[in-house]
Amino acid sequence: DQQVKQNSPSLSVQEGRISILNCDYTNSMFDYFLWYKKYPAEGPTFLISISSIKDKNEDGRFTVFLNKSAKHLSLHIVPSQPGDSAVYFCAASARDFGNEKLTFGTGTRLTIIP
Amino acid sequence: DGGITQSPKYLFRKEGQNVTLSCEQNLNHDAMYWYRQDPGQGLRLIYYSQIVNDFQKGDIAEGYSVSREKKESFPLTVTSAQKNPTAFYLCASRRQGASYTEAFFGQGTRLTVV
Repeated sequence: DQQVKQNSPSLSVQEGRISILNCDYTNSMFDYFLWYKKYPAEGPTFLISISSIKDKNEDGRFTVFLNKSAKHLSLHIVPSQPGDSAVYFCAASARDFGNEKLTFGTGTRLTIIP
Repeated sequence: DGGITQSPKYLFRKEGQNVTLSCEQNLNHDAMYWYRQDPGQGLRLIYYSQIVNDFQKGDIAEGYSVSREKKESFPLTVTSAQKNPTAFYLCASRRQGASYTEAFFGQGTRLTVV
């Protein structure tokens, strides 16, 4: 049962344009969401997060949008740069009797075309 | 220089043998996590721990065991009962508190069964 889903395994975007990565979740107990970037054979690095009490969070070129009614979040990268080529994971967190479980999606491979 | 260290980076195991992957952090984080990455399947949670001497099963705990005798250390043992152990294993840690924070990852261990 995949509680966090990234339905697009890959995405190609021209350099300088906007990249939009999408993520859907099913568990209504999730109340904190994160995006990570990952290169091959390395650990993921944190990009940006959003609490369920907000619908938008912005950090430089990265903006995350949360639509709780649709159980959907998206990451916007603008302008896209060649260094943004990587696999992007969304993750969601919920507290379960004091335990903070962190659940990841399957990832989207973003390729920026020069 | 604070961080999370996984060792070894590459590990080879013969079928039928147990093997232990190391994860150490000096970030003073309470929570630690083990994930497994397979192609096209994202990061799947194996075990997690919020406090010393306590841990919970994740989504794919069968064939794995962990211990949390010290706050800094969360070793993962891949037992002979794990049917498909070849994968990339990632350890993460996270500060626990009233508000959520991001998790920090190690560089991973690639385990290959020969």
